Amino acid sequence: GESVGLHLPTLSVQEGDNSIINCAYSNSASDYFIWYKQESGKGPQFIIDIRSNMDKRQGQRVTVLLNKTVKHLSLQIAATQPGDSAVYFCAENRSPAAGNKLTFGGGTRVLVKP
Amino acid sequence: DGGITQSPKYLFRKEGQNVTLSCEQNLNHDAMYWYRQDPGQGLRLIYYSQIVNDFQKGDIAEGYSVSREKKESFPLTVTSAQKNPTAFYLCASTPGTSNEKLFFGSGTQLSVL
Repeated sequence: GESVGLHLPTLSVQEGDNSIINCAYSNSASDYFIWYKQESGKGPQFIIDIRSNMDKRQGQRVTVLLNKTVKHLSLQIAATQPGDSAVYFCAENRSPAAGNKLTFGGGTRVLVKP
Repeated sequence: DGGITQSPKYLFRKEGQNVTLSCEQNLNHDAMYWYRQDPGQGLRLIYYSQIVNDFQKGDIAEGYSVSREKKESFPLTVTSAQKNPTAFYLCASTPGTSNEKLFFGSGTQLSVL
């Protein structure tokens, strides 16, 4: 989801369950999408990316799904662990012709309950 | 170890003062970026540079200035014209200028005294 003001959407998940984080993007011309994880007081860390010619890409315990028809992106985390607690951001390249200019969504906080 | 180094980690600014945030990378990346992050919000692009001695404004450039005299360095100055400078500032880089993931530094928290 997208944030509204200072209140981040929060996803609470039990340790060991799967997490799904959603993101809506706005520009149908965007051709590159990326997910970042950010822990408190640190810089964002790359998780996984996907180009618009794909609809699914898998990494280690993570899967990104892209639905261009409804302009929706999701990140699935399998067997969520306490170390997965963080804020997750999606980003899109809204100006592919202008080079690498990523535009970030507002973020979703994931809280993993033991 | 290769990476992006931001300093200082915490910085305090007095009213009317200009302050400069440092960003250095030893990844040999061509492009560098500055983002601002406010509490509970996403990242907004301030300035970016795709090549030495050249840079472009991002979405919120007013009150900020940058220079790119060396490939590995992209300092950001927060000027007195920036009336609400308190935020977390993130520097990033990419190898080239096409669609690629950004590598981020660890950030600088700027606060107003």
